[in-house]
Amino acid sequence: SYEVTQPPSVSVSPGQTASITCSGDKLGKKYAAWYQQKPGQSPVLVIYQDTRRPSGIPERFSGSNSGNTATLTISGAQAMDEADYYCQAWESNTVIFGGGTKLTVL
Amino acid sequence: QVQLQESGPGLVKPSQTVSLTCTVSGDSISSDGYYWAWLRQHPGKGLEWIGFIHYRGRTYYSPSLKSRVTLSVDTSENQFSLDLNSVSAADTAVYFCAKVRDYSSGYHFEYWGRGTLVTVSS
Repeated sequence: SYEVTQPPSVSVSPGQTASITCSGDKLGKKYAAWYQQKPGQSPVLVIYQDTRRPSGIPERFSGSNSGNTATLTISGAQAMDEADYYCQAWESNTVIFGGGTKLTVL
Repeated sequence: QVQLQESGPGLVKPSQTVSLTCTVSGDSISSDGYYWAWLRQHPGKGLEWIGFIHYRGRTYYSPSLKSRVTLSVDTSENQFSLDLNSVSAADTAVYFCAKVRDYSSGYHFEYWGRGTLVTVSS
């Protein structure tokens, strides 16, 4: 079955750029979405169709997807961005989630 | 702004069926181009997709749960529901409902409910 892999954790200093990767076989040929989840809250869509940002999501969030890797980039990370991030794709009539990445801003 | 609200029993006994309902407000469940989904999250773990349903009845299920899951939709009440049978402690989780955007080559979850904790215990 298809799988996507994320690093368990990523750390970034405030104001710096954080990159969270999501790897899977030929992932670049599928659409990737990203969700942010803060403790005790439901997930929020931050990127869809690889690069598109829903209304209300800050411009510092951006996405890319090529080859075997989709990447969520947070430019100028802020303390409020500290959260778990999940990538998601669709393959063979199945939703696939990555295991999640805990982003620490310190 | 669409809102989704999960409802159902917080405690279920092993081997029983848990039934959850998601009530949609601020939007019509009878919208082409969208599905309506259930997902769950075990304590301290990642997201797990259960399945989704179109108001016309088409469904997609997770292969790992397909044998125990039934999704249904009630357009008159603007609700959709999940039945998960033969539950065990491994089904203890927070269950979310969500609105799904369908763009034929993929899907993503646009809006999520707050989630409801279901505990399986005797």
